[in-house]
Amino acid sequence: EIVLTQSPGTLSLSPGERATLSCRASEVVSISYLAWYQQKPGQAPRLLIYGTSNRATGIPDRFSGSGSETDFTLTISRLEPEDFAVYYCQQYGYSPGTFGQGTKVEIK
Amino acid sequence: QVTLKESGPVLVKPTETLTLTCSVSGFSLNNTNMGVTWIRQPPGKALEWLAHIFWDDEKSYNSSLQTRLTISKDTSKSQVVLTMTNMDPVDTGTYFCARRLHGSGHFDYWGQGTLVTVSS
Repeated sequence: EIVLTQSPGTLSLSPGERATLSCRASEVVSISYLAWYQQKPGQAPRLLIYGTSNRATGIPDRFSGSGSETDFTLTISRLEPEDFAVYYCQQYGYSPGTFGQGTKVEIK
Repeated sequence: QVTLKESGPVLVKPTETLTLTCSVSGFSLNNTNMGVTWIRQPPGKALEWLAHIFWDDEKSYNSSLQTRLTISKDTSKSQVVLTMTNMDPVDTGTYFCARRLHGSGHFDYWGQGTLVTVSS
């Protein structure tokens, strides 16, 4: 099973700042099968990025994804108040698909 | 408009079998490449992929839970059913169903989730 390790666990930032979230895989993951989700309390996750760098429908362009092999990054260029949430990376190159443990982006 | 909605018991006893239903609309379980996945989340913890089923009845299970899980679909009712046997308190959490297209690795639409508590 591929293990995804996200860092940092918590990111304390102010609105308007840039957020950089990391996701490291224990084995090489195809760029086609790396996704990022946002989850707010009491809600289901929402797809942000798929295929490493493709924004899902309706996702603002302040969200971007990059990376390859074992290192992947989600960047939020300028944090808006609604962006404070938990973010998960997910891979499905190998069964079972796995999620990272999440990075919480909180207001500083 | 694509929607998914989970339903099932709120409370189950240890050793009992859990049956959850995912009712979908806005797409057909018969359509090529359509699939539904079950994912769970213990309180305050990360997400865990459980099982999925595709339009052609291809199924796959989380290997660590495979002996306890069964996934099936009823296309006439637009429903996907997950059963999990021998429930334990560690299985407490929110259970989500989500759409996944065959050939992709991500989940583009999610249900709201249903909280299941395992307790005597």
